[in-house]
Amino acid sequence: RKEVEQDPGPFNVPEGATVAFNCTYSNSASQSFFWYRQDCRKEPKLLMSVYSSGNEDGRFTAQLNRASQYISLLIRDSKLSDSATYLCVVEGSSNTGKLIFGQGTTLQVKP
Amino acid sequence: DTEVTQTPKHLVMGMTNKKSLKCEQHMGHRAMYWYKQKAKKPPELMFVYSYEKLSINESVPSRFSPECPNSSLLNLHLHALQPEDSALYLCASSQEGRLAGAYNEQFFGPGTRLTVL
Repeated sequence: RKEVEQDPGPFNVPEGATVAFNCTYSNSASQSFFWYRQDCRKEPKLLMSVYSSGNEDGRFTAQLNRASQYISLLIRDSKLSDSATYLCVVEGSSNTGKLIFGQGTTLQVKP
Repeated sequence: DTEVTQTPKHLVMGMTNKKSLKCEQHMGHRAMYWYKQKAKKPPELMFVYSYEKLSINESVPSRFSPECPNSSLLNLHLHALQPEDSALYLCASSQEGRLAGAYNEQFFGPGTRLTVL
């Protein structure tokens, strides 16, 4: 089993749609959780940190379920500019700064 | 300033060459990282420096040699690389690599796209 698993997609959605990405992680001792966005041939950019209480930033909502070892990202009112690969990222339990990346989920928003 | 810079942007080298990749940040971060990313794959961690000391080496071949001259700079020295080492090399930094309970968000530089002939 992979340490961080995501549905690779691609997700093809029309503008204005709501889309949800899910991610599971295997290490129950993991401490920190993130969603990164990566555009083609660019570096990953931090989209959101994911806290136990859940957090929202504009059209983006992230949730964490530690009991189920599950992380989600919801994008509302999708824009063309949201087209990218979304990486679910988990930090290991030892606070070493070592990040474990999922394979990424590709989103294509179409007009 | 929330930027991590990397030079060069592109590098083409032969298998007998020696070259270096450079990374710089001025955010006061005390942890810096090297990642390797192949096409359509997620980044893979290579090295972690915490307070200018190497804290993690992910069993990287010795033809890759990291160096942290000071808290703002990180180098990756390359020697006798193979064509399969061609990839995007990403540098990242975070505030602290070992602060318990804190979310140590990592910020990535734009990367160096390396081609080994």
